[in-house]
Amino acid sequence: EVQLVESGGGLVQPGGSLRLACAASGFTFSTYAMSWVRQAPGKGLEWVSAIGNTNGATFYADAVKGRFTISRDNSKNTVSLQMNSLGAEDTAVYYCAKDISGWFAVGADSWGQGALVVVSS
Amino acid sequence: NFLLTQPHSVSESPGKTVTISCTRSNGTIGSNFVQWYQQRPGSSPILLIFEDNRRPSGVPDRFSGSIDSSSNSASLTISGLKTEDESDYYCQSYETSSQHLIFGGGTKLTVL
Repeated sequence: EVQLVESGGGLVQPGGSLRLACAASGFTFSTYAMSWVRQAPGKGLEWVSAIGNTNGATFYADAVKGRFTISRDNSKNTVSLQMNSLGAEDTAVYYCAKDISGWFAVGADSWGQGALVVVSS
Repeated sequence: NFLLTQPHSVSESPGKTVTISCTRSNGTIGSNFVQWYQQRPGSSPILLIFEDNRRPSGVPDRFSGSIDSSSNSASLTISGLKTEDESDYYCQSYETSSQHLIFGGGTKLTVL
């Protein structure tokens, strides 16, 4: 059974940093692209970032480019999202998602439970 | 980036069929695959349709996806509606030039 467990969410002050981690199990992690998708309170889904399977190519939404960094460790079956210069607009539940293939653009078939990030003073 | 526009809400009775549209603002809908997700209140999204019309294993065949080039839109059709289908539904596609994933704004389905 595929499992994705996010950690690292919490309350952070504006301008601060936070690192989210996603521990994956139940599938051959290195085969699949991984993505982060967020959802602000009462709002829709917003794609944040993705990382390819073995080549580690990275992709970012304009709203987070230059502030967020996605990475993966195929030896530890983890994907992380380093978030810097956080603002109130980054307040959201952040979902880790397993993509259906090595390429992130054709759907994510497993999602974690989400990690809540609140940016507030 | 292009936009994917969905109706804010739709409603239909149990047992009936409903179709949710997803219209691409510019570029061709068939240029990149469209996916559909279901999100029940308080839960994580679930992939219903990928690559325009394919269902992951475990998704009932009551759910189907299609593309209409004449309206430059994708559609999710749910037949034999059940009360448990009450959820938010999101379409998603990919923009090649920016390498961005794009989500539609979501459609709230009410089954009553």
